[in-house]
Amino acid sequence: AQSVTQLDSQVPVFEEAPVELRCNYSSSVSVYLFWYVQYPNQGLQLLLKYLSGSTLVKGINGFEAEFNKSQTSFHLRKPSVHISDTAEYFCAVSRYGETSGSRLTFGEGTQLTVNP
Amino acid sequence: DTEVTQTPKHLVMGMTNKKSLKCEQHMGHRAMYWYKQKAKKPPELMFVYSYEKLSINESVPSRFSPECPNSSLLNLHLHALQPEDSALYLCASSQDVPNIQYFGAGTRLSVL
Repeated sequence: AQSVTQLDSQVPVFEEAPVELRCNYSSSVSVYLFWYVQYPNQGLQLLLKYLSGSTLVKGINGFEAEFNKSQTSFHLRKPSVHISDTAEYFCAVSRYGETSGSRLTFGEGTQLTVNP
Repeated sequence: DTEVTQTPKHLVMGMTNKKSLKCEQHMGHRAMYWYKQKAKKPPELMFVYSYEKLSINESVPSRFSPECPNSSLLNLHLHALQPEDSALYLCASSQDVPNIQYFGAGTRLSVL
């Protein structure tokens, strides 16, 4: 089984500041890793994914994440945030190589609030 | 195009009503999912259909009844719901390996 821990439930930052949202996972097998963003009253939008290859992955809206296998982490970063980045962010994992119809394991989420 | 369309966006129903939620995707994905999400919580998996067959049922009460009429459509039939069933219901779909799930905007359900 897999588990995901998002280390901060809330992260307040000022506009144009850098931000890092932390995610650690636990799994006895290799995994795929995902970050989703959920704006108020909306569904989940895929921000970025790590499947294999380069450990630094770039996503939409200027976000990037780095996969660190030894530390079992997949932290999300953005060098300069905007008010519009205010949202809930979920880290998720699924088992490597599993076909469609398998489970995603989510973290509890991190509320990012960007203040002017 | 990674669009999953859910209707209706909002639904208010009484405990004796019967209603249905609808989900549609045209990405050729062969797996579709129903999730329930309470405020400030991650989505909780309810059902998974893989190649139009129910493959995962997470011990959901029988007042929720899923249906997959074809590979593009997924329905969730609701009957005799309780107020605690009020939540955001999300549909997702995914291709084969890797399992990347794409979500719809959700249906906000209120049970009175």
